[in-house]
Amino acid sequence: DGGITQSPKYLFRKEGQNVTLSCEQNLNHDAMYWYRQDPGQGLRLIYYSQIVNDFQKGDIAEGYSVSREKKESFPLTVTSAQKNPTAFYLCASSRGQGFSQPQHFGDGTRLSIL
Amino acid sequence: AQSVTQLDSHVSVSEGTPVLLRCNYSSSYSPSLFWYVQHPNKGLQLLLKYTSAATLVKGINGFEAEFKKSETSFHLTKPSAHMSDAAEYFCVVSPPYNQGGKLIFGQGTELS
Repeated sequence: DGGITQSPKYLFRKEGQNVTLSCEQNLNHDAMYWYRQDPGQGLRLIYYSQIVNDFQKGDIAEGYSVSREKKESFPLTVTSAQKNPTAFYLCASSRGQGFSQPQHFGDGTRLSIL
Repeated sequence: AQSVTQLDSHVSVSEGTPVLLRCNYSSSYSPSLFWYVQHPNKGLQLLLKYTSAATLVKGINGFEAEFKKSETSFHLTKPSAHMSDAAEYFCVVSPPYNQGGKLIFGQGTELS
């Protein structure tokens, strides 16, 4: 079945450490997105990519970095500069950037600080 | 500016009774509108979408929503609630001429 796979499901970060969250899709979608979800809040956009080798900052990009070397992969690195990284991270993809295209989501990665 | 407001942060119903989750939006032009559901520790699943076709949209699991332009509303309903419907629901706006498919999420309504 086609879908989006996020790994790991749970991740722990030590102080000063960078960690990378994986996101892979086999839907042949062009666009991919990373969101952060905090308790009681909606989703906030971190980064998005409309095409391979191109990506743009979202609303809360500080302390995060991404790459898009392959169409099916969009990994997110949470750097040590992100002082409050504890959250639920969701990856999504869509067929294109048209406004009628729904986004499809993975099952998320929960990041905690040790 | 585009925005979306979910009028209730929490809704509680009895099994077998109707469900109403309210959503108002603000957009200069006719947007696309979506409802998503999120179960605990899971991603978001698309329930239904409105994209300027029929104003009454039917989705999965017996849910439907009606687009009312005059009221700028897109409320989600279900005739009879089931225990498995307990989850968080998000109303989402995709404005026309948006950049890169960026979506605007409501704050969510927890249904119990």
